[in-house]
Amino acid sequence: DAEITQSPRHKITETGRQVTLACHQTWNHNNMFWYRQDLGHGLRLIHYSYGVQDTNKGEVSDGYSVSRSNTEDLPLTLESAASSQTSVYFCASSPYSGGAHNEQFFGPGTRLTVL
Amino acid sequence: KNQVEQSPQSLIILEGKNCTLQCNYTVSPFSNLRWYKQDTGRGPVSLTIMTFSENTKSNGRYTATLDADTKQSSLHITASQLSDSASYICVVSAGNYGQNFVFGPGTRLSVLP
Repeated sequence: DAEITQSPRHKITETGRQVTLACHQTWNHNNMFWYRQDLGHGLRLIHYSYGVQDTNKGEVSDGYSVSRSNTEDLPLTLESAASSQTSVYFCASSPYSGGAHNEQFFGPGTRLTVL
Repeated sequence: KNQVEQSPQSLIILEGKNCTLQCNYTVSPFSNLRWYKQDTGRGPVSLTIMTFSENTKSNGRYTATLDADTKQSSLHITASQLSDSASYICVVSAGNYGQNFVFGPGTRLSVLP
């Protein structure tokens, strides 16, 4: 079955280190998204991509970067991890480039702790 | 500013009872509204999706309503089960192509035996 996976599921790192979170989907969806989820906040958009070589900044993009070299993967990189980036990170994908039924399918999440 | 608010923040009910969760939004231009269920430690999963012209959508024991005039939506859960314990998130898509997703903070529902 097609799916969306994230790795690692848990990660502990130190302040200042570079960290990359992986997201892989097998639905062949054009659109992919990265969110962070913190207590007291809804899911907040970090970066998104509408296709290969396309990347866009979301609401909370500072300190994060993404690249889209193929349809299946959208890795999220924290250039220099900060304690404020301790969070649960969700990757999502959706099949349409627009329209009223562009449902997002979410991965299982990655819990990142920055010490 | 596009915003989605949800109430209550949390809710505790007994198994078998019904409940209604609320979502108010100020999102323009409106494209569609979804309700997601998020189990602890998992990613959100879509329950229903409604466009501007739809005012009711059901998925089993879940029924969502939409009033586009007042910009309000509700999610009604009938005959609750222990497995309904989760967070329920209202998400409104904005933009002419629905490409901007605005998430509510969620309502945490606990169903007790």
